[in-house]
Amino acid sequence: EPEVTQTPSHQVTQMGQEVILRCVPISNHLYFYWYRQILGQKVEFLVSFYNNEISEKSEIFDDQFSVERPDGSNFTLKIRSTKLEDSAMYFCASSGLALRLGYNEQFFGPGTRLTVL
Amino acid sequence: GENVEQHPSTLSVQEGDSAVIKCTYSDSASNYFPWYKQELGKGPQLIIDIRSNVGEKKDQRIAVTLNKTAKHFSLHITETQPEDSAVYFCAAMRGAGGFKTIFGAGTRLFVKA
Repeated sequence: EPEVTQTPSHQVTQMGQEVILRCVPISNHLYFYWYRQILGQKVEFLVSFYNNEISEKSEIFDDQFSVERPDGSNFTLKIRSTKLEDSAMYFCASSGLALRLGYNEQFFGPGTRLTVL
Repeated sequence: GENVEQHPSTLSVQEGDSAVIKCTYSDSASNYFPWYKQELGKGPQLIIDIRSNVGEKKDQRIAVTLNKTAKHFSLHITETQPEDSAVYFCAAMRGAGGFKTIFGAGTRLFVKA
C-alpha cells in the first residue's frame, strides 16, 4: 500500500540553525501539506501546496518557514533560523485530486521529531 | 477564527463497552470531517470520515454522526477492544481553497481488559 515517508525521523539542531525536513508524498497525489504537533498538544495546520505554489497557510507559517517541491517526488519544509519553540513533531501529508467532490482525504507520514537546543 | 472543540480529553472504558467522542466546529464552510487515530510515535491514521451531505456513516464497529445545523459531530466505537487504546482526533476541513484542516485537541482513549 502506498504511503507517505519522511526523513529524518529525528533531527536535533542548535537554536538559530536552518533545518530542512523532507517528505516523499504518495506518487500520484497532487496536494501536499505540513502540520506540526507540539508534544501532548493538537495537530496544527501549517501550509498546503498545490501546482507548485502555496494554496493556504496558517499564522504559524511566518517568514521563517518555506516549502518547496524541488523535483517530482520530494516535498520539503525549511525553517531558516530555528527557535526553541519550533521543537515539535512535523507531519507531512498528501492527498489526491477530489475537487469535484469537495473534500480531500489526507494521508499522513510518520513524522519528524525536531528538537531545538 | 476557525476552531474545533473536542470532548472528553480522556476516556476510560471497559473492554466491550462503547466509547463516544464529541466535537463541535465553528467554520460554517467546513464540509468534510475526518477522524484520526494516533498511536504512540506514529502519524495520524484516518479511521473514518463523513461529508456534509451525509448525516451518519458506519464502518464495522465505528460510526460517525454529523449535525450540520448544530455544528456537532461524534465518533462512536462499539465493542471496544484493548487495541482501540490510542489518541483520537476529530477534524474539520473546508472543501475549497487550500483544504485547511483544523484538528480538535484529541481524546486519549483507554480500553481496560
